[in-house]
Amino acid sequence: KAGVTQTPRYLIKTRGQQVTLSCSPISGHRSVSWYQQTPGQGLQFLFEYFSETQRNKGNFPGRFSGRQFSNSRSEMNVSTLELGDSALYLCASSLARLGAVEQFFGPGTRLTVL
Amino acid sequence: GENVEQHPSTLSVQEGDSAVIKCTYSDSASNYFPWYKQELGKGPQLIIDIRSNVGEKKDQRIAVTLNKTAKHFSLHITETQPEDSAVYFCAASRNTGNQFYFGTGTSLTVIP
Repeated sequence: KAGVTQTPRYLIKTRGQQVTLSCSPISGHRSVSWYQQTPGQGLQFLFEYFSETQRNKGNFPGRFSGRQFSNSRSEMNVSTLELGDSALYLCASSLARLGAVEQFFGPGTRLTVL
Repeated sequence: GENVEQHPSTLSVQEGDSAVIKCTYSDSASNYFPWYKQELGKGPQLIIDIRSNVGEKKDQRIAVTLNKTAKHFSLHITETQPEDSAVYFCAASRNTGNQFYFGTGTSLTVIP
């Protein structure tokens, strides 16, 4: 079974630009969560989508948004990039309908904002 | 919201020794506690998890214990090997979706 895939793996942008990251979950998984990982803040939850609906949202500004398509693939978008947005963005998928269960993480997209 | 604290931040052990990493959580409603291992350049990988109705769980050289009253849980790795060297994260979650709160990570180095 193929794992969670994320594209692109690396991205360099400049301040003020916007970026879109993509995540393809494991086949059959309908829940997709996004996390931001930085050395200072660790792993922080951005949002979770289940069946094309945002089910949970973390404490991030509105510049961070996401969506999920009918095939469960998900995208996250960051508008008006700031230097502090430089991070590893991780996507995780799971089978869960309700309740916390095992999440499978992708390798992440390394975003650098110059 | 939930706050997960993890100690120590770095840990060095000799090959064959045991390693223990401890986490505390603040939200008594949290009921799922996974542990993840992250190697350089990779995403976190689940190594063991425990639910609040269980006090201890073991999988070969890895075990996790949970004390709900004290709100802390620990990861125990016995007979450590160099390939155990990685960053380990604990996490906590409620039964309301897949929003995980992670600890700050422990960088484990196993010295051959």
